[in-house]
Amino acid sequence: NAGVTQTPKFQVLKTGQSMTLQCAQDMNHNSMYWYRQDPGMGLRLIYYSASEGTTDKGEVPNGYNVSRLNKREFSLRLESAAPSQTSVYFCASSDTLGNEQFFGPGTRLTVL
Amino acid sequence: LAKTTQPISMDSYEGQEVNITCSHNNIATNDYITWYQQFPSQGPRFIIQGYKTKVTNEVASLFIPADRKSSTLSLPRVSLSDTAVYYCLVGDFSGNTGKLIFGQGTTLQVKP
Repeated sequence: NAGVTQTPKFQVLKTGQSMTLQCAQDMNHNSMYWYRQDPGMGLRLIYYSASEGTTDKGEVPNGYNVSRLNKREFSLRLESAAPSQTSVYFCASSDTLGNEQFFGPGTRLTVL
Repeated sequence: LAKTTQPISMDSYEGQEVNITCSHNNIATNDYITWYQQFPSQGPRFIIQGYKTKVTNEVASLFIPADRKSSTLSLPRVSLSDTAVYYCLVGDFSGNTGKLIFGQGTTLQVKP
């Protein structure tokens, strides 16, 4: 089992560009999450999906959109990237909402 | 939303027991308390979760007093490999209205 995989691992964008971060899990989990982590800070929840077909806002949703494509995949889209979105993005999944989360390796995003 | 307060950093020596306390004065009835460990350049890893009293697993114990306004993560006989950031989370996932708040975490430095 690969667990939680994220692509890409690194990305550099210019202000105003768009991109989609991909996340997939092979643990048959119902719930998935997107977090961002700024240098020296804790993780902040952007969006989460309690189950396939549902999504909900977390602590810092502005500037992002998500899609729960199917049970395995949960993508995060930046429509118009801003320097303030420079961060490391982590995807996670759990069997049900609130239970032990398994995290991916992260995507390091820089917006110039 | 219940916020958490933890010490920013702690030092310990190999073989000692380490106790990290987290304050969560506004914890709600449905909230659970969860602890994660994070190494540099990796996603967090689940350590332990509890609701009240004491929970123990193969790596740690979690002590929660009756008022649940704080909790203490206990790591027995730490080693150098336990050097990491430890996050206390308080979250309510009842009725799909859940949020999870990671604080800044506690950086534990274990010395030889």
